[in-house]
Amino acid sequence: AQRVTQPEKLLSVFKGAPVELKCNYSYSGSPELFWYVQYSRQRLQLLLRHISRESIKGFTADLNKGETSFHLKKPFAQEEDSAMYYCALTSSGGYQKVTFGIGTKLQVIP
Amino acid sequence: EPEVTQTPSHQVTQMGQEVILRCVPISNHLYFYWYRQILGQKVEFLVSFYNNEISEKSEIFDDQFSVERPDGSNFTLKIRSTKLEDSAMYFCASSEAGGAGGYTFGSGTRLTVV
Repeated sequence: AQRVTQPEKLLSVFKGAPVELKCNYSYSGSPELFWYVQYSRQRLQLLLRHISRESIKGFTADLNKGETSFHLKKPFAQEEDSAMYYCALTSSGGYQKVTFGIGTKLQVIP
Repeated sequence: EPEVTQTPSHQVTQMGQEVILRCVPISNHLYFYWYRQILGQKVEFLVSFYNNEISEKSEIFDDQFSVERPDGSNFTLKIRSTKLEDSAMYFCASSEAGGAGGYTFGSGTRLTVV
């Protein structure tokens, strides 16, 4: 069974402080991992995916298969980063349903 | 940038009534999905739809739920007899070729069953 665990429902950091949003997953095959973001009153948006290994808005995430983790990191938090962040997983190949974590609310304190 | 459009943004209905949630996916997308999010809980998969039939559905998607693509543009979710526990945010998504990286989500319909 696919499972995504985000242990923190709320993470508060000061502006300029480093951010790490934790995500662990459980999947028997080769998953694709993603981070989605939802700003206040806006739709879910793809932030980044592990395959592309890119940095979006200063965020990065590295897939650690040994620890089955896909933590989201940013060295210096900005106020506009305040949002809900969802870690998500799919199987590879064909269409895929998405399994979401419960989400972590990031609150950046000015 | 193309968007997935959902209507209405908020629907209030009485328990036992039928509701239809509407979605207009991106025009060249082939895969369509419904997800829901009960307040305070995670986003959950309901159903996927491809080539005019259901590809996969979750345990949540019981006989009270149905989906339809009545024409070339709309993708609807019907709940035949709503229950209080159906109150949630319902998200439609579409993708061109499968894969969550290619998903585009709609802004959601908040369904309130009273």
